[in-house]
Amino acid sequence: DAMVIQNPRYQVTQFGKPVTLSCSQTLNHNVMYWYQQKSSQAPKLLFHYYDKDFNNEADTPDNFQSRRPNTSFCFLDIRSPGLGDAAMYLCATSREGGTEAFFGQGTRLTVV
Amino acid sequence: EDQVTQSPEALRLQEGESSSLNCSYTVSGLRGLFWYRQDPGKGPEFLFTLYSAGEEKEKERLKATLTKKESFLHITAPKPEDSATYLCAVQVVFSGGYNKLIFGAGTRLAVHP
Repeated sequence: DAMVIQNPRYQVTQFGKPVTLSCSQTLNHNVMYWYQQKSSQAPKLLFHYYDKDFNNEADTPDNFQSRRPNTSFCFLDIRSPGLGDAAMYLCATSREGGTEAFFGQGTRLTVV
Repeated sequence: EDQVTQSPEALRLQEGESSSLNCSYTVSGLRGLFWYRQDPGKGPEFLFTLYSAGEEKEKERLKATLTKKESFLHITAPKPEDSATYLCAVQVVFSGGYNKLIFGAGTRLAVHP
């Protein structure tokens, strides 16, 4: 059974048109992460939540926002997608304290 | 600056030809080192966690080891279904007591019959 679910798997959006990606989890983990992964590159951390505490990476563009309305759900909002934002977006969860993270299947974002 | 480097970038093996992948890291406050497998177009799948130098973990044809500065993923007698990208990640503690995962770029492994 899927434990971290991302929707949609594939998203096509127009240049400059806001888009929202979603992630849900059934693990009851208190930490949720959003990563951006471009082809043949390392996943790059955008931000993460520790419970309701939001932590933004210093180099995450202002164009990217996130919401976590409850433990199970987390959203990634891209306010004005550019061509350079085309990538795989990965959501992951973990318990606190140095434990492994579990990933969803990702959302492949295409910007046209 | 915290950094994770994996080598080689790509590796081609014949079925049954054993080899090792390397992950070297320079981080402060290491909490753990993780190996993941990633198939094309999918999210990373967790393989192993290592917490201290000298620790080893095994799963089928894979064995992960850890020293103070690097980790190795040994693949014994690989099969074509082992073809994937193998990612290494380190979990570090930063200001505020929060943890985060820092990934290497991965090693793309291709095993041919």
